[in-house]
Amino acid sequence: QSVLTQPPSVSGAPGQRVTISCTGSSSNIGAGYDVHWYQQLPGTAPKLLIYGNSNRPSGVPDRFSGSKSGTSASLAITGLQAEDEADYYCQSYDSSLSAVFGTGTKVTVL
Amino acid sequence: EVQLVESGGGLVQPGRSLRLSCAASGFTFDDYAMHWVRQAPGKGLEWVSGISWNSGSIGYADSVKGRFTISRDNAKNSLYLQMNSLRAEDTALYYCAKDIGSIAAAGNWFDPWGQGTLVTVSS
Repeated sequence: QSVLTQPPSVSGAPGQRVTISCTGSSSNIGAGYDVHWYQQLPGTAPKLLIYGNSNRPSGVPDRFSGSKSGTSASLAITGLQAEDEADYYCQSYDSSLSAVFGTGTKVTVL
Repeated sequence: EVQLVESGGGLVQPGRSLRLSCAASGFTFDDYAMHWVRQAPGKGLEWVSGISWNSGSIGYADSVKGRFTISRDNAKNSLYLQMNSLRAEDTALYYCAKDIGSIAAAGNWFDPWGQGTLVTVSS
């Protein structure tokens, strides 16, 4: 049972900008815990995309960016490409010190 | 190259037990906390359990507390998940994931992940 809420799906044409929200509460994101994002391509394991709210690991294109404010976080993809079609999950911690994931968002490139 | 390879999944009847393993290579295993994360068919990710580098700190999701036991053998570079009293709702792909720190501290993230091992609980 996910405690972080994401939209089930977002879509955009190639080259467009899409954003994915991750809404939590005062017991997780709002408590100051960092938010991280993972990309899961079809049939593969999740891969780290953004860590510490807004940092990109080496190799992740700079068209992926993250931000956090209050009890929410966002992932933005600018210059959407066909290869970005995947599921995206946010992750944080809650006050019981358990890791928590978002509900997941499917990105479709039109 | 960091590699995590899960094994031990399969078809099991409700109420029975199963033990998953995760073989780690490419990094100093006993420097890092480790986790199990699962994904039910067509569903999202759910954190299951985490263990610190020296097994001194362990945590479980409420959904598995009292039924699952995480452990590690640093000499064998291996992580384990003993799953007892299995239920249909435990059916999922179970991933092993490396923490970025030595303890599973709030704020940490998981990188990388293994490819997963499928557990199916059905009569």
